[in-house]
Amino acid sequence: DADVTQTPRNRITKTGKRIMLECSQTKGHDRMYWYRQDPGLGLRLIYYSFDVKDINKGEISDGYSVSRQAQAKFSLSLESAIPNQTALYFCATSDSQGNGYTFGSGTRLTVV
Amino acid sequence: GNSVTQMEGPVTLSEEAFLTINCTYTATGYPSLFWYVQYPGEGLQLLLKATKADDKGSNKGFEATYRKETTSFHLEKGSVQVSDSAVYFCALRGKNTGFQKLVFGTGTRLLVSP
Repeated sequence: DADVTQTPRNRITKTGKRIMLECSQTKGHDRMYWYRQDPGLGLRLIYYSFDVKDINKGEISDGYSVSRQAQAKFSLSLESAIPNQTALYFCATSDSQGNGYTFGSGTRLTVV
Repeated sequence: GNSVTQMEGPVTLSEEAFLTINCTYTATGYPSLFWYVQYPGEGLQLLLKATKADDKGSNKGFEATYRKETTSFHLEKGSVQVSDSAVYFCALRGKNTGFQKLVFGTGTRLLVSP
């Protein structure tokens, strides 16, 4: 099994719908991250969490929310999806020193 | 703030050609520098890293040297293979106190033809 697992791998949803992307890890890492990848823009940080009770906004958090259900699980929600949220979303983990970043395989989200 | 600039792609090469992908950075102090690779349909994987000036990171035939004078971390490989076709991201992480996020460049797509 992969160290960082994201579900679903692909999703098409309609404008205005609520959607949740899930991430689970077996690395035992404390820190978890959600990134968004857009062509020509690289990866941008949406939210990050140091532990279950410590969640922080990244550089592009508007329109997104997260939940850290357990040390191993970190989900990203789009409360009301819009077309410009069409992107590739990555979950990542690292240890408490910020080392050993491990990425999931990504979720390709299309909002129509 | 910290930032990374890397050359736009795609970079198109024939097998066994020499590869250079340029990366320069702006940061306070001396950050750690990384190259990540993303193969089609997969997440990012760490390719190599360097944590201080003049360090050389290397892996799978790829190399990059941390150049403080030119604030650069260019990726090189002497002889590319078709299997090296992927998107390559340069990244940095600061060493100041407090949370230091991983900052990525925009990525450079490499296409290697037989």
